Amino acid sequence: GQQLNQSPQSMFIQEGEDVSMNCTSSSIFNTWLWYKQDPGEGPVLLIALYKAGELTSNGRLTAQFGITRKDSFLNISASIPSDVGIYFCAGQGGTSGTYKYIFGTGTRLKVLA
Amino acid sequence: DVKVTQSSRYLVKRTGEKVFLECVQDMDHENMFWYRQDPGLGLRLIYFSYDVKMKEKGDIPEGYSVSREKKERFSLILESASTNQTSMYLCASSPPGGGSSTEAFFGQGTRLTVV
Repeated sequence: GQQLNQSPQSMFIQEGEDVSMNCTSSSIFNTWLWYKQDPGEGPVLLIALYKAGELTSNGRLTAQFGITRKDSFLNISASIPSDVGIYFCAGQGGTSGTYKYIFGTGTRLKVLA
Repeated sequence: DVKVTQSSRYLVKRTGEKVFLECVQDMDHENMFWYRQDPGLGLRLIYFSYDVKMKEKGDIPEGYSVSREKKERFSLILESASTNQTSMYLCASSPPGGGSSTEAFFGQGTRLTVV
């Protein structure tokens, strides 16, 4: 199945630093979603984006829906140790089909205290 | 809060056994999904259901079947478990496509080991 290109694959950062990751696709989406997954757990929804150009925040997290509808980025400001985990993007709708979610390959984040 | 609950966190089954993974959601969502997640392969869609008794094959349906007799419950069945079905299984639910909200919510996952 199709996967979205997500980068970076992994990153080690110091506590307090800002983090940025992005997802790109060859397909157009109507919705972009960002999830976080802790080891051994299911993904938890962080942010949902519905309009091209939309910028949405959730606490220290900010995500944007790319203007071309083919990309999205997620920023985490002032990282803390509990930010550790795998972050996934997902695109839905558009040329992928109404119901189908296409997931990114994930960004593994490690925060050094 | 939306809740998607998978019946087991961990399962160990023997090769050849019939295995049932259960998923229940409490948000009256029309769509329900079963994925498996393997290192390096990401999330792969096994089956999808958009209504009671309706199902569609995903990307990797071989060796699996599903049942959706009630809107809130979606079961994944491994007809004859094999070691290559050892994986993390994730259930998700979402409202129907085309609406104002199309967020998918996941269960906590079932780590299945087939020995």
